[in-house]
Amino acid sequence: AQRVTQPEKLLSVFKGAPVELKCNYSYSGSPELFWYVQYSRQRLQLLLRHISRESIKGFTADLNKGETSFHLKKPFAQEEDSAMYYCALWVYGNKLVFGAGTILRVKS
Amino acid sequence: DAGITQSPRHKVTETGTPVTLRCHQTENHRYMYWYRQDPGHGLRLIHYSYGVKDTDKGEVSDGYSVSRSKTEDFLLTLESATSSQTSVYFCASWTNSGELFFGEGSRLTVL
Repeated sequence: AQRVTQPEKLLSVFKGAPVELKCNYSYSGSPELFWYVQYSRQRLQLLLRHISRESIKGFTADLNKGETSFHLKKPFAQEEDSAMYYCALWVYGNKLVFGAGTILRVKS
Repeated sequence: DAGITQSPRHKVTETGTPVTLRCHQTENHRYMYWYRQDPGHGLRLIHYSYGVKDTDKGEVSDGYSVSRSKTEDFLLTLESATSSQTSVYFCASWTNSGELFFGEGSRLTVL
């Protein structure tokens, strides 16, 4: 079965603290994974994807096929990082399967 | 960036009435999608389209139908709205750079 699991509904950290948003996936094929972000009352937008290996806004994510994980990390959280974060898995048929999302709150 | 617009952006309707949400894209993208966003469920795919008049069901398609008569337009119809269909609906298209680009969402309330 194709599934994306984000175990935390809410992650609350202080400004300057490290952030790790967890994502685990289940997929029989070769996985292609994405992180999308939704700031308050805005459209979802792509944050990063594993194949590009980019660091966007200080966020990185490494695909770990052994642990079937694609956790999103940032060493120092900023208040403007507060948003809803979705992990997504590309599946056959050009579709994305999304996790339930994690709300990140960065406190000052 | 791809241009996707959704209409209406907000709608309140009553149970049993038909509702149509419209998605319009200006980038000639082949693939288009309708998702619904609900707390605790994230985004779930309702229907998608891989070309004009070519559509297929997603994981939560019951109670919804779609049509795509032109590349740029993808319509989502609720034949008889129910309270369980109260949600935020997002349209998206698959861009040439290999990502989903989303519209701004349509908030539907069914009373």
